[in-house]
Amino acid sequence: AQSVTQLGSHVSVSEGALVLLRCNYSSSVPPYLFWYVQYPNQGLQLLLKYTSAATLVKGINGFEAEFKKSETSFHLTKPSAHMSDAAEYFCAHPGGKLVFGAGTILRVKS
Amino acid sequence: DAGVIQSPRHEVTEMGQEVTLRCKPISGHDYLFWYRQTMMRGLELLIYFNNNVPIDDSGMPEDRFSAKMPNASFSTLKIQPSEPRDSAVYFCASSTRETQYFGPGTRLLVL
Repeated sequence: AQSVTQLGSHVSVSEGALVLLRCNYSSSVPPYLFWYVQYPNQGLQLLLKYTSAATLVKGINGFEAEFKKSETSFHLTKPSAHMSDAAEYFCAHPGGKLVFGAGTILRVKS
Repeated sequence: DAGVIQSPRHEVTEMGQEVTLRCKPISGHDYLFWYRQTMMRGLELLIYFNNNVPIDDSGMPEDRFSAKMPNASFSTLKIQPSEPRDSAVYFCASSTRETQYFGPGTRLLVL
């Protein structure tokens, strides 16, 4: 079955540090991959999406993700964490219908 | 566009009562999705529609749950009778292609 796996249910970084949230997919042909962010008490918001056009995808709020077919990965990064980045992040893959990973809660320490 | 609109934003009810959640998708979107989010089970797809027709309802927990989409601009998710284990945040999302746009959710508490 097509799925996405997020490694680490919780990630904690210091303000200004690199953010790395991991996502691996299982499908052999991923036409699309997504990262969504959910701030407390809010709905999910699209952060960025991969559509086969470019392997490095830039999203909102300084986030980017790189599609690596050899590693079946689509990790989310941000060079410098900000307090406002504290949220839950979901990797998703449209395997017929949108399939979400379990989510990673990002905590940013001051 | 106002985005996906859900109402109510919060609902508190007693076990056994009927609950109706409402969703207005983004105009022009032909797909509509209902999700449920809990701490224990994460984000679950309950049902989705394409052009107002239910396509996959395999995620609907049981017969107490029903969803309708009478027209392109409105959908409801109904729980009858409600139970405490239905307490969750229910999200509606709409899309025209691969990207789904989510509403703010309805936080349901069944006492």
